[in-house]
Amino acid sequence: KNEVEQSPQNLTAQEGEFITINCSYSVGISALHWLQQHPGGGIVSLFMLSSGKKKHGRLIATINIQEKHSSLHITASHPRDSAVYICAASVSGSRLTFGEGTQLTVNP
Amino acid sequence: DGGITQSPKYLFRKEGQNVTLSCEQNLNHDAMYWYRQDPGQGLRLIYYSQIVNDFQKGDIAEGYSVSREKKESFPLTVTSAQKNPTAFYLCASSSDRGGNTIYFGEGSWLTVV
Repeated sequence: KNEVEQSPQNLTAQEGEFITINCSYSVGISALHWLQQHPGGGIVSLFMLSSGKKKHGRLIATINIQEKHSSLHITASHPRDSAVYICAASVSGSRLTFGEGTQLTVNP
Repeated sequence: DGGITQSPKYLFRKEGQNVTLSCEQNLNHDAMYWYRQDPGQGLRLIYYSQIVNDFQKGDIAEGYSVSREKKESFPLTVTSAQKNPTAFYLCASSSDRGGNTIYFGEGSWLTVV
């Protein structure tokens, strides 16, 4: 069993839909990261959070430390949101443990 | 602008050859990392370095080597001992303390022919 698990693995949505990607972890963490990987392979950091909720534009990330669970929400989804979304946990110092990613496809 | 530069983007290697992937950052970050990504799998840590002239093995270090002679540079050599080197390789950096934002390069696609 992976220390960081994401669901779903694949997600297809219609433009405008509200999207949720979930991440569960089984170890103590200092922070939880949400990353976005574009088709070309480059990865950008979307959020880093250790408690509560963060919002950036149409993206919202939440974390529940007691339940060891985090969610990434996308409101009013758009085809340009199509990417792989990766959850990663800071378990030991600055090392990260990664989930396998969620492939999101938003159709027009 | 500050960031991480990986090169080359695409690389083909013959079996039995060593190849070196470059990673340079101008973010003044202490910590640098090399990850490998295979289809359908999460990123796996190859090597990491938290300070110049020091580095540690990650989860899949066999067949790889690194050096950290300068703060801004962390090259990865894929040696002929790596049995299945075809993969996507990502370099990353962060401030040394845990819980800091991590920055990634654009990645390097290595294909063994």
